[in-house]
Amino acid sequence: EVRLVESGGGLSQPGGSLRLACAASGLTVTSNYMTWVRQAPGKGLEWVSVIYSGGSTYYADSVKGRFTISRDNSKNTVYVQMNSLRAEDTAVYYCATDHPSRGAFDIWGQGTMVTVSS
Amino acid sequence: DIQMTQSPSSLSASVGDRVTITCRASQSINNYLNWYQQKPGKAPKLLIYAASSLQSGVPSRFTGSGSGTDFTLTISSLQPEDFATYYCQQSYSTPRTFGQGTKVEIK
Repeated sequence: EVRLVESGGGLSQPGGSLRLACAASGLTVTSNYMTWVRQAPGKGLEWVSVIYSGGSTYYADSVKGRFTISRDNSKNTVYVQMNSLRAEDTAVYYCATDHPSRGAFDIWGQGTMVTVSS
Repeated sequence: DIQMTQSPSSLSASVGDRVTITCRASQSINNYLNWYQQKPGKAPKLLIYAASSLQSGVPSRFTGSGSGTDFTLTISSLQPEDFATYYCQQSYSTPRTFGQGTKVEIK
């Protein structure tokens, strides 16, 4: 069974840091495009970042310079390091696979909640 | 960035109704358009990719159409489990932008 499981969410003060993890099973993160999508409370979906199978990375303007996506091949896990957190980063963060030929997010994790508040 | 605009933002419908949701891109995206369904507290679920291809396991009452800048998602006969929020998303370029969502509620 293909599965993505996010972890690492929680409460951070403004300016703080958190690292989210997305552990994959049934698929290899290095062979897939792995993406992060977030959803602020009561709001819509916002694409955050992607790491392609070749290692290239891209970010939304709203997080560029503050978030870093990476992967650990040995753990089959994708991470997003979130620094300089702001209140507007408060959201559920989902990990998903970006199917390379379909161009769609076809497998999603259950999400992890990040709250940025003093 | 490509802007995606859905309409309506919400609608009320009855079981058995035919429902249509539209999505417009701010520039041509060919057929690089996907549709997702999201229920409260759950992750989104892919319904349609490449504008009109049905994702495996998705009921055939869901159909997608369109190309260029204008797209539609149609539910031919609304079922109780279809009450949810629907999002379009373009995969033509990065950033992968979403529409603002359409909430389908019970009339």
